[in-house]
Amino acid sequence: NAGVTQTPKFQVLKTGQSMTLQCAQDMNHNSMYWYRQDPGMGLRLIYYSASEGTTDKGEVPNGYNVSRLNKREFSLRLESAAPSQTSVYFCASSEPAQSDTQYFGPGTRLTVL
Amino acid sequence: DAKTTQPPSMDCAEGRAANLPCNHSTISGNEYVYWYRQIHSQGPQYIIHGLKNNETNEMASLIITEDRKSSTLILPHATLRDTAVYYCIVRVEEYSGGGADGLTFGKGTHLIIQP
Repeated sequence: NAGVTQTPKFQVLKTGQSMTLQCAQDMNHNSMYWYRQDPGMGLRLIYYSASEGTTDKGEVPNGYNVSRLNKREFSLRLESAAPSQTSVYFCASSEPAQSDTQYFGPGTRLTVL
Repeated sequence: DAKTTQPPSMDCAEGRAANLPCNHSTISGNEYVYWYRQIHSQGPQYIIHGLKNNETNEMASLIITEDRKSSTLILPHATLRDTAVYYCIVRVEEYSGGGADGLTFGKGTHLIIQP
């Protein structure tokens, strides 16, 4: 039981490049989330998915798109990366029917030059 | 979700109890108090949550004042591995109708355990 996994762990992009951050969970959770964390700050919600087939914007969705591929996987795409998107990205999941606890992945450290 | 206020940093000696305060004076009747922590460079980790009664688990205790306007997280015997940023969050539980809309993190309290 790996919990929440994220790939890649580190990534360096040039301005304008695109990439997809992958997230998977093996806990059969319905809800999944993407957060970003800038230096010295708390996490901010980018997008979330309450269940398979649904996605909603969080606090800071601009410049990102998401796909809830199936119940296990929730990906985050940067279509045209900007230096302001340099951050650490965390994926999380939860199962509202059981508890409100969110389980977080190890994070992806993204640098945009 | 209501906002919380936490001290930016605290020190505690190893082996002693660490008491982390949180003010949430605008908390609503159906909002719970949650605590998460983030050890350097890792994803946040759930610690404990409660509504109005004191709660205890294997990691910590949560003391909520009678008026629910503040709470204290207690780590009974702090170790060096407890050095982390601790976040106090108030929210309605998802399965109580709060919706799966994520957590609102402030800057938290950086707890440093001194050897």
